[in-house]
Amino acid sequence: AQSVTQPDIHITVSEGASLELRCNYSYGATPYLFWYVQSPGQGLQLLLKYFSGDTLVQGIKGFEAEFKRSQSSFNLRKPSVHWSDAAEYFCAVGDPYAGGTSYGKLTFGQGTILTVHP
Amino acid sequence: DTEVTQTPKHLVMGMTNKKSLKCEQHMGHRAMYWYKQKAKKPPELMFVYSYEKLSINESVPSRFSPECPNSSLLNLHLHALQPEDSALYLCASSQEGTGDEQYFGPGTRLTVT
Repeated sequence: AQSVTQPDIHITVSEGASLELRCNYSYGATPYLFWYVQSPGQGLQLLLKYFSGDTLVQGIKGFEAEFKRSQSSFNLRKPSVHWSDAAEYFCAVGDPYAGGTSYGKLTFGQGTILTVHP
Repeated sequence: DTEVTQTPKHLVMGMTNKKSLKCEQHMGHRAMYWYKQKAKKPPELMFVYSYEKLSINESVPSRFSPECPNSSLLNLHLHALQPEDSALYLCASSQEGTGDEQYFGPGTRLTVT
């Protein structure tokens, strides 16, 4: 079964600093990979996704992520963080070969809370 | 338009009440989902509908009853809930159900008293 690990529960950065949020996954082949962001009490917003092709993907709000098969990682990066980026970030994997009980399932990591200091 | 709408935004109900949560999408998606999210936790999948048929029930208690009246609408009927059912309930939709990206609504904050 697939699994996702986000090693950092909470990260604090200063506004204007660069950011990298880590995500490691376990899956037998190349999964679908996603990053979502959630502000307090809100739904999840899709930042970016990787299905195949170029391993560096660009998303909304200036975020990018790099898929590294050899490291089973899909880390999220932003060169300069803004105060409005403070939120919780979830990495998720989907199974492109899903069938049966895996159909439609996304597996989420535990999330990383980002705090931005002015 | 990548919007999923949910009503109501907030709901307070007693343990003997019956209420319903509603979700709507107009993206032509054929898969719709209900998730439950407790504070500081990731969303937990409850139900998946694919082409208006229930395809996954993650062993959810029968006091939660999903319904998909048509391809754009998804309801979650609530009856005899417990205080531990208080949570943020999220609806999502996707083009199909094979692990592609899901678009989430803003959620309904449910409090059971």
